[in-house]
Amino acid sequence: DTAVSQTPKYLVTQMGNDKSIKCEQNLGHDTMYWYKQDSKKFLKIMFSYNNKELIINETVPNRFSPKSPDKAHLNLHINSLELGDSAVYFCASSPGQGFEVLYEQYFGPGTRLTVT
Amino acid sequence: AQRVTQPEKLLSVFKGAPVELKCNYSYSGSPELFWYVQYSRQRLQLLLRHISRESIKGFTADLNKGETSFHLKKPFAQEEDSAMYYCPSPESYNKLIFGAGTRLAVHP
Repeated sequence: DTAVSQTPKYLVTQMGNDKSIKCEQNLGHDTMYWYKQDSKKFLKIMFSYNNKELIINETVPNRFSPKSPDKAHLNLHINSLELGDSAVYFCASSPGQGFEVLYEQYFGPGTRLTVT
Repeated sequence: AQRVTQPEKLLSVFKGAPVELKCNYSYSGSPELFWYVQYSRQRLQLLLRHISRESIKGFTADLNKGETSFHLKKPFAQEEDSAMYYCPSPESYNKLIFGAGTRLAVHP
């Protein structure tokens, strides 16, 4: 069984469109994350939710809006897509907060977003 | 706060050569150190954690408190080791900083 899944795997869209990426984990974890990996493989955290509550919100344009309907799901909605949004977006989950579990992050397969 | 840096963006070696991917830390206490790996177009996965002192896929990483390092080593590189390697650092109890990582390219 896939621990952390994301849909879609690939997303090609035009500038100005609105799109969503979905993430689900079946590990029973309390904490979920969204990361962005650019073309140079720089991996940066965007958001983190713990038990459906937003706990990390990095300096991300407010066109990006995460939503966690329950602790197993964390979706990412992006409005008015721009060329610079092209990247691979990874979802991850961990058992909870705290140093002892922070490193136990399980990543999804990634969603490759291409904005044309 | 614990700070970790990977000084090399790219490490290029030939198959069979030894590999050492550098990870340096600055921390006065007992650091928590890990290595993650990302093979081409795949998800990141945890490779090694320093507390377990294990060897995974021939890789080892020893915490060197004198040099404040946690370098990832393998005596004989294989082509399938080509990947991105990240040594993340915790910025807080709920945030890991992965950064640019190091790309390992193993040539035949």
